[in-house]
Amino acid sequence: GQNIDQPTEMTATEGAIVQINCTYQTSGFNGLFWYQQHAGEAPTFLSYNVLDGLEEKGRFSSFLSRSKGYSYLLLKELQMKDSASYLCAVRGDRGSTLGRLYFGRGTQLTVWP
Amino acid sequence: DGGITQSPKYLFRKEGQNVTLSCEQNLNHDAMYWYRQDPGQGLRLIYYSQIVNDFQKGDIAEGYSVSREKKESFPLTVTSAQKNPTAFYLCALTGTGGELFFGEGSRLTVL
Repeated sequence: GQNIDQPTEMTATEGAIVQINCTYQTSGFNGLFWYQQHAGEAPTFLSYNVLDGLEEKGRFSSFLSRSKGYSYLLLKELQMKDSASYLCAVRGDRGSTLGRLYFGRGTQLTVWP
Repeated sequence: DGGITQSPKYLFRKEGQNVTLSCEQNLNHDAMYWYRQDPGQGLRLIYYSQIVNDFQKGDIAEGYSVSREKKESFPLTVTSAQKNPTAFYLCALTGTGGELFFGEGSRLTVL
């Protein structure tokens, strides 16, 4: 089966840095994705890692360690608008359709002023 | 305006009724996907289609049906056989990097 774990909730203050962790156990691995989802809206794509290491994109960075089955999303200079749910998703077997992702339950981040 | 269009945004259904959710795209993508999201749960794949006139079951296909008669359209029918249909339904395409991008979603409530 596919198992993807991330914390249910996190809180932080405006201007701070927060790290959201994700661990996974899947049958095969072909990439890890992070999405942001505001309440009542559809998820939007943030980042993609398929090789080990850090990918930086503005205030957001994502890290992957395939040997440890571990990823994190790092959010810097937090803003109130960053309050949202952050979803970790894994693509399993290389032979499966590209859009078949397995999602964690999401981490609800609340940013306080 | 390009992209994925889902309708309706909100839908109410009585128990025992079938309901069809629309998903249309004008991006000329071959593959289309339907996911379901429940509160506190991860998104789960219902059905997907990689080409016209072909579709495959995902992880939770029971109680749902789809068709893919046109490239632009991939409607999802929630049948009366679906025991817990209240959920947020998301249609998706794959982007150039293989990431999913979603329509605005349809929120179905069974009364």
